[in-house]
Amino acid sequence: AQSVTQLGSHVSVSEGALVLLRCNYSSSVPPYLFWYVQYPNQGLQLLLKYTSAATLVKGINGFEAEFKKSETSFHLTKPSAHMSDAAEYFCAVSESGANSKLTFGKGITLSVRP
Amino acid sequence: GAGVSQSPRYKVAKRGQDVALRCDPISGHVSLFWYQQALGQGPEFLTYFQNEAQLDKSGLPSDRFFAERPEGSVSTLKIQRTQQEDSAVYLCASSLFRGYEQYFGPGTRLTVT
Repeated sequence: AQSVTQLGSHVSVSEGALVLLRCNYSSSVPPYLFWYVQYPNQGLQLLLKYTSAATLVKGINGFEAEFKKSETSFHLTKPSAHMSDAAEYFCAVSESGANSKLTFGKGITLSVRP
Repeated sequence: GAGVSQSPRYKVAKRGQDVALRCDPISGHVSLFWYQQALGQGPEFLTYFQNEAQLDKSGLPSDRFFAERPEGSVSTLKIQRTQQEDSAVYLCASSLFRGYEQYFGPGTRLTVT
């Protein structure tokens, strides 16, 4: 079985500040890990994914995440927040080699203050 | 090209009514997934199709939920005798093949009164 934990439901940062959204996972097999972003009334959009290649993954819009097996973590970061980054962010895991159904965390709402 | 589309975008049903939610995947995508997203929660897997074959329906919460994809393209999620706990956003996603990136539709928000 696999699961994802996203602690906290809301993060608020100032424009230009570092964004750090935490994600811890549990998986009995080597996982694939994903971060998705959801804007109001829109579908989920893939930000980045880890599929057992480089542990530091770069995604769209300046986001990146680092896979740390020893910590079972896949935290999302962005050096400088922009107002347009305000959205809901979901971490997800799938078991490599399976039918790739995704198991999501509860999500974190990111607010960006001017 | 066009992304994944879902209809209707909003549906209000009285408790006990049947509803049908439609998903049009990206053309040529073999894999299709349905997820249920309750308010304040992350999406939860319902079912998976590879072409017209339903290979995994382990996430369907009860036998009131039924999904089909008869020609391997458009899919319909049907909920019979809706209950208040069925109120959620239903998301459809498609991918080129199993294991490839999933592209999500905007979802159908179902409210059962």
